[in-house]
Amino acid sequence: NAGVTQTPKFQVLKTGQSMTLQCAQDMNHEYMSWYRQDPGMGLRLIHYSVGAGITDQGEVPNGYNVSRSTTEDFPLRLLSAAPSQTSVYFCASSSQPPYNSPLHFGNGTRLTVT
Amino acid sequence: SQQGEEDPQALSIQEGENATMNCSYKTSINNLQWYRQNSGRGLVHLILIRSNEREKHSGRLRVTLDTSKKSSSLLITASRAADTASYFCATSPGGGSRLTFGEGTQLTVNP
Repeated sequence: NAGVTQTPKFQVLKTGQSMTLQCAQDMNHEYMSWYRQDPGMGLRLIHYSVGAGITDQGEVPNGYNVSRSTTEDFPLRLLSAAPSQTSVYFCASSSQPPYNSPLHFGNGTRLTVT
Repeated sequence: SQQGEEDPQALSIQEGENATMNCSYKTSINNLQWYRQNSGRGLVHLILIRSNEREKHSGRLRVTLDTSKKSSSLLITASRAADTASYFCATSPGGGSRLTFGEGTQLTVNP
């Protein structure tokens, strides 16, 4: 069982470039989330989804887009990368609403924007 | 702003000692969760404690919850070097799909 798989593990972008961070889970979980982790600031919620076709904004959504066309996949798109988006990005999934169920995390994508 | 705040920010102990980390939160919750993060890895779920529970155990872990003080503590007994990690509490104000994490406690267990 792979769990939550994130690709790539590392990425360097130039300011203004766009890219998509991939997240896939094989546990048939309805709930998926994207977080960013910055030193001294813990994890902050970017976007989340409660099922295929349904997404909503989290705490820090600006500069990011998401879509959920299938239960398995929840890609995060950076539209025009900025140095402030340098961070470690984590995708997570759960079988029930996150308040009531453990989140399963991927191992993260470390993004550097120069 | 963060819903949960861990205290202390960093903790260094010797193997075999107990480690206690605290979490305070601001608004009423349904449940509170604790996670561990090893360096360079994703978070791993440890324990979920419900608002009507006061204490919960899992192996060497003991979690308490005091809803009147809006606080929780995580106790790791007989710590090992492998327990070296960051520990986070997480809550979901009002329940639902948004889980909010604190800034974490960095625990170092020295052999």
